[in-house]
Amino acid sequence: AQSVTQPDIHITVSEGASLELRCNYSYGATPYLFWYVQSPGQGLQLLLKYFSGDTLVQGIKGFEAEFKRSQSSFNLRKPSVHWSDAAEYFCAVGNTGGFKTIFGAGTRLFVKA
Amino acid sequence: EAQVTQNPRYLITVTGKKLTVTCSQNMNHEYMSWYRQDPGLGLRQIYYSMNVEVTDKGDVPEGYKVSRKEKRNFPLILESPSPNQTSLYFCASSFTVGGALWETQYFGPGTRLLVL
Repeated sequence: AQSVTQPDIHITVSEGASLELRCNYSYGATPYLFWYVQSPGQGLQLLLKYFSGDTLVQGIKGFEAEFKRSQSSFNLRKPSVHWSDAAEYFCAVGNTGGFKTIFGAGTRLFVKA
Repeated sequence: EAQVTQNPRYLITVTGKKLTVTCSQNMNHEYMSWYRQDPGLGLRQIYYSMNVEVTDKGDVPEGYKVSRKEKRNFPLILESPSPNQTSLYFCASSFTVGGALWETQYFGPGTRLLVL
């Protein structure tokens, strides 16, 4: 069965510092992987996705993620965090085609001035 | 403006009183989906639809029904709501390309439901 684990419920980083949010997944076949961001009171916005090909994926807002099959991980990174990045981040895994999606519980990011 | 709309945005109801949450998209998307969001659990998929008259269960379909009679609409029906269905509900839609969800999912603004 598909599952997604985001080990960190919340993370605090200083503005300008680098960020890495962890995501581990369980899926029997090649997964479709996603990272979404949710600002307070808002819906979800897709940051990036991985379906195949290059394992380092670039997304919007300066985010990137790396798919590591051997570690079943898809960690999200950003070299320099801005205060506007404070939000909740969700990792998700989809079945072939991406139609059936399992989300992680989310990691809330706090940014210190 | 391309968007996914949900109505109502907020709803308080009582146990057992049937309700429908509507979802409509104006982007001619084939794929639509319903999720519920609960604290500490993230989003869980309820049902999804790959096109008109094609629907399938997500992770937590119990207590919910859906229909897809038109491409733009995907209503979520709670025949007999119970307090454990109190949640924040999101509808989403997307194009499919070559039989896969290659494009981003566009999410609606959410419907907050309280069942007493």
